Amino acid sequence: GAGVSQTPSNKVTEKGKYVELRCDPISGHTALYWYRQSLGQGPEFLIYFQGTGAADDSGLPNDRFFAVRPEGSVSTLKIQRTERGDSAVYLCASSPPSGSSGANVLTFGAGSRLTVL
Amino acid sequence: AQSVSQHNHHVILSEAASLELGCNYSYGGTVNLFWYVQYPGQHLQLLLKYFSGDPLVKGIKGFEAEFIKSKFSFNLRKPSVQWSDTAEYFCAVKGETQGGSEKLVFGKGTKLTVNP
Repeated sequence: GAGVSQTPSNKVTEKGKYVELRCDPISGHTALYWYRQSLGQGPEFLIYFQGTGAADDSGLPNDRFFAVRPEGSVSTLKIQRTERGDSAVYLCASSPPSGSSGANVLTFGAGSRLTVL
Repeated sequence: AQSVSQHNHHVILSEAASLELGCNYSYGGTVNLFWYVQYPGQHLQLLLKYFSGDPLVKGIKGFEAEFIKSKFSFNLRKPSVQWSDTAEYFCAVKGETQGGSEKLVFGKGTKLTVNP
């Protein structure tokens, strides 16, 4: 597609439930990033993929958070046993391969707003 | 670990005033530096970037930023702001790490309000 697509745009869930957030990057972009943005804060790094593998998952806050990118394109961020503190906007971004035009520049999606009641 | 500090949480200006938003980063190696902007109701967009070469970089909408290596700074400037510049501005740094990670680290952001 023309841009990074994220679904759902809004998700309201109850504490303890399981949530999946989906990201469809720009076609041909090999790197895919997940960030979390709380109100009044900058985007907080969670994880990024190069192709199918997680190149850096050091930002995942705990083992309730997991992300996959099985075919090197679409990625899913999975949150188990959600807590109220997980409420935030979850942002996805992608970038082209190293050495190509636009490499190292992230293009962001509109985000998925998660509210845990 | 990399970190980014943005000194101003909220800046309020009148139209035509000059703007400078501070950004300092903590990282000793080679860095790529970015400013992103988020207009109300919109997603993050790239404003400008610095990879190498001329430390004064120009971006969209009349914005520019200067990389001063000795000060670990990458301040954003605009000579004359417009009401449409009202937005939140984020400085970000990507540095080469031991593990080869290319994660981008953001500052907390500066909210700019421009009054007509």
